[in-house]
Amino acid sequence: SQELEQSPQSLIVQEGKNLTINCTSSKTLYGLYWYKQKYGEGLIFLMMLQKGGEEKSHEKITAKLDEKKQQSSLHITASQPSHAGIYLCGADEYNFNKFYFGSGTKLNVKP
Amino acid sequence: DVKVTQSSRYLVKRTGEKVFLECVQDMDHENMFWYRQDPGLGLRLIYFSYDVKMKEKGDIPEGYSVSREKKERFSLILESASTNQTSMYLCASSLSGDYSREAFFGQGTRLTVV
Repeated sequence: SQELEQSPQSLIVQEGKNLTINCTSSKTLYGLYWYKQKYGEGLIFLMMLQKGGEEKSHEKITAKLDEKKQQSSLHITASQPSHAGIYLCGADEYNFNKFYFGSGTKLNVKP
Repeated sequence: DVKVTQSSRYLVKRTGEKVFLECVQDMDHENMFWYRQDPGLGLRLIYFSYDVKMKEKGDIPEGYSVSREKKERFSLILESASTNQTSMYLCASSLSGDYSREAFFGQGTRLTVV
């Protein structure tokens, strides 16, 4: 089965600072998805990456997928308290439609 | 607006009870999933279904069963609840095929077994 490793497990940053979260797969990825979860709630879809070298941005969040399609990074520029939450990377298996997730990165942004 | 709805936000049940968690989606998605989320362990797949009456075990199916009689509804059943099943349960749905298949999630059910 697909295994996704996220780092770091948790992060505390000062408001206004940049940060990066990494997601590494044990297999070549078919699709890589980034989600955000506010504490105690469901997951909100952020971005999907499918092509090697692909990069997408939404507001101050940028996600990249490396050329080999085994590693993705999520970068937040000028962090704000509203960015706080748990960020999870997910991947699906081409043949079986299963969805797997990394263990998540807990982000706190100090005002 | 896309919607996945879980029947309860919070649930408290007694050990040994049979527990039903219900999930309904209104997007005509083929795939539906049940996960549990525990601190330090992330989201772990319990079961998923790719069609009506079809189901596949995920990574941690023991102690659980599922039912999908209609396309829009996917139920998770705890046959005899135990305290180690206290957790946050998340339901999701997605499309099949070669296009964008992001999963849409419900708001979660926090189950406590006492």
